[in-house]
Amino acid sequence: GAVVSQHPSWVICKSGTSVKIECRSLDFQATTMFWYRQFPKQSLMLMATSNEGSKATYEQGVEKDKFLINHASLTLSTLTVTSAHPEDSSFYICSARIKGSYEQYFGPGTRLTVT
Amino acid sequence: DQQVKQNSPSLSVQEGRISILNCDYTNSMFDYFLWYKKYPAEGPTFLISISSIKDKNEDGRFTVFLNKSAKHLSLHIVPSQPGDSAVYFCAASVTGNTDKLIFGTGTRLQVFP
Repeated sequence: GAVVSQHPSWVICKSGTSVKIECRSLDFQATTMFWYRQFPKQSLMLMATSNEGSKATYEQGVEKDKFLINHASLTLSTLTVTSAHPEDSSFYICSARIKGSYEQYFGPGTRLTVT
Repeated sequence: DQQVKQNSPSLSVQEGRISILNCDYTNSMFDYFLWYKKYPAEGPTFLISISSIKDKNEDGRFTVFLNKSAKHLSLHIVPSQPGDSAVYFCAASVTGNTDKLIFGTGTRLQVFP
């Protein structure tokens, strides 16, 4: 149980374009979903927290107009990287938390490469 | 400011021996700690957690120890197996703000035969 999927697993896009990443909880309802970013050999950095049906809460330094997060249902959250630049190239990981639980269940991640 | 630190970027252990991964934190408000295991190109997988009201939690081959006075926790894996080879992250949170997990930088464990 507690499986989280991400799609796509790997995407290459050109500078200036937008790319959408989906995060789904497959066998549970996730009241809260999280988006992280990981640079090579670095820690996971929380970008934003989203609760179903409400606006995402962004961490300091994360541009909310650039990283659009939508949590449309209890099983789906999307991250859209708008006007992508090469410095946005990274590994993006989502996680989901079951209500009442501390643990977060992570998706497999999406590697974004912006050329 | 790195609030959760894993000072050893890598660790190499022989199969069957004990692996000890260490984690230090600076924020005394942290009261819940978790360990995650991560394979390349995959998301982290939850391993074990501990609340600050305890100093030890055990689950099979995995034991986490917490020393609050030293702001230090460690993960012991006994016996180590080749399949344990991965990057291990510790994470910390504050009760009441459990949304936010602060991750360490990870320790790459390699278990060799």
